Amino acid sequence: EVQLVESGGGLVQPGGSLRLSCAASGFTFSNYWMTWVRQAPGKGLEWVANIKQDGSEKYYVDSVKGRFTISRDNAKNSLYLQMNSLGAEDTAVYYCVTGGGVPGARFVHWGHGALVIVSS
Amino acid sequence: DIQMTQSPSSLSASVGDRVTITCRASQSISSYLNWYQLKPGKAPKVLIYAASTLQTGVPSRFSGSGSGTDFTLTISSLQPEDFATYYCQQSYSTPLTFGGGTKVEIK
Repeated sequence: EVQLVESGGGLVQPGGSLRLSCAASGFTFSNYWMTWVRQAPGKGLEWVANIKQDGSEKYYVDSVKGRFTISRDNAKNSLYLQMNSLGAEDTAVYYCVTGGGVPGARFVHWGHGALVIVSS
Repeated sequence: DIQMTQSPSSLSASVGDRVTITCRASQSISSYLNWYQLKPGKAPKVLIYAASTLQTGVPSRFSGSGSGTDFTLTISSLQPEDFATYYCQQSYSTPLTFGGGTKVEIK
């Protein structure tokens, strides 16, 4: 059974940093593009970033470029999202998701999400 | 960036109703269109991919159609467990973008 378990969420002050982790199991992690998707309170889904199987390609939504860094460790079956210079607009539930390469990215497996609250 | 516009943003329907949600892309995306269902407290679930292919395990009352810029998600006979929010998502190019969502509520 595919499992994606996010951790590292929490309350952080504006301007602060946080690192999200996603532990993957039940599938061959190194074979998949991986993605972070977020949902702000009362808002819709937003793609944040994705990373190729070997980490050689990474893409970001404009609003997080230069502040967020996606990475992965295939030996540990783990995906990460380093978030710096956080603002209130980054408050959201962050989902770790399988898939993400274009064209044809299909987000089949989702974690249950990590809540990030940016507030003073 | 490709903008995805969903309509309506919400609808009220009864069990057994046929429900149709539309999604329009700001440029042609061929058939690179997926549909997701979101329920509070649950992980999102993919229903349809490649515009019209039913994801394994999804009930056949869900169907998708369209290509180019205009797409439709249809629920042939709404069931109690279908009251949720639905999103379309283009998988044609980065940045991957979602529609604004359609909330299906009980009439």
